[in-house]
Amino acid sequence: EVQLVESGGGLVQPGGSLRLSCAASGFTFASYAMGWVRQAPGKGLEWVSAIIDSGGNTYYTDSARGRFTISRDNSKNTLYLQMNSLRVEDTAIYYCAKGSRGVWPYCFDCWGQGTLVTVSS
Amino acid sequence: EIVLTQSPGTLSLSPGERATLSCRASQSVTNNNLAWYQQKPGQAPRLLIYGASSRAAGIPDRFSGSGSGTDFTLTISRLEPEDFAVYYCQQYGTSRTFGQGTKVEIK
Repeated sequence: EVQLVESGGGLVQPGGSLRLSCAASGFTFASYAMGWVRQAPGKGLEWVSAIIDSGGNTYYTDSARGRFTISRDNSKNTLYLQMNSLRVEDTAIYYCAKGSRGVWPYCFDCWGQGTLVTVSS
Repeated sequence: EIVLTQSPGTLSLSPGERATLSCRASQSVTNNNLAWYQQKPGQAPRLLIYGASSRAAGIPDRFSGSGSGTDFTLTISRLEPEDFAVYYCQQYGTSRTFGQGTKVEIK
């Protein structure tokens, strides 16, 4: 059974940093792209970032580019999202999601339960 | 960026009725790389349809997807009580974007 377990969320002040982790199990992690999708309170889904199976290519939405860094450690079956210069509008539940393939094109066929990031002074 | 517009915003139906949800793209979706997800309150999204019309593993056949280019449809043939939820379309042909969602509520 595929399992994705996020951690690292919490309360941070504007301008601060957080590092999210996603521990994966139940599938061959190194063979699939992975991504992060967020959902602000009471709002819809917003894709944030993605990374191909090897980690060789990364992708970001405009609001995340330059502030967030996605990475993966295939030896540890773990996905990361380093978030710097956090803004109030980054407040959301952050979901880790498994890609349906290793490289483009892929949708997200399994999702974690999410970790809440709150940016507030 | 491809903008996805879902309609209607809310669909009020009774169990057993047919639900038709629309997703319109601002430009053609590459290779019809369009997915549909279901999200229930307090839960993570679940993939229903990929490639515009292929059902994901374990998804009941009352869910079907159709369309191509810029116009896509998710149809639920007979609503079951567990189908009342919010549905999102997502294109993954050119970067990735989600629609704003359609809520299917009990009438």
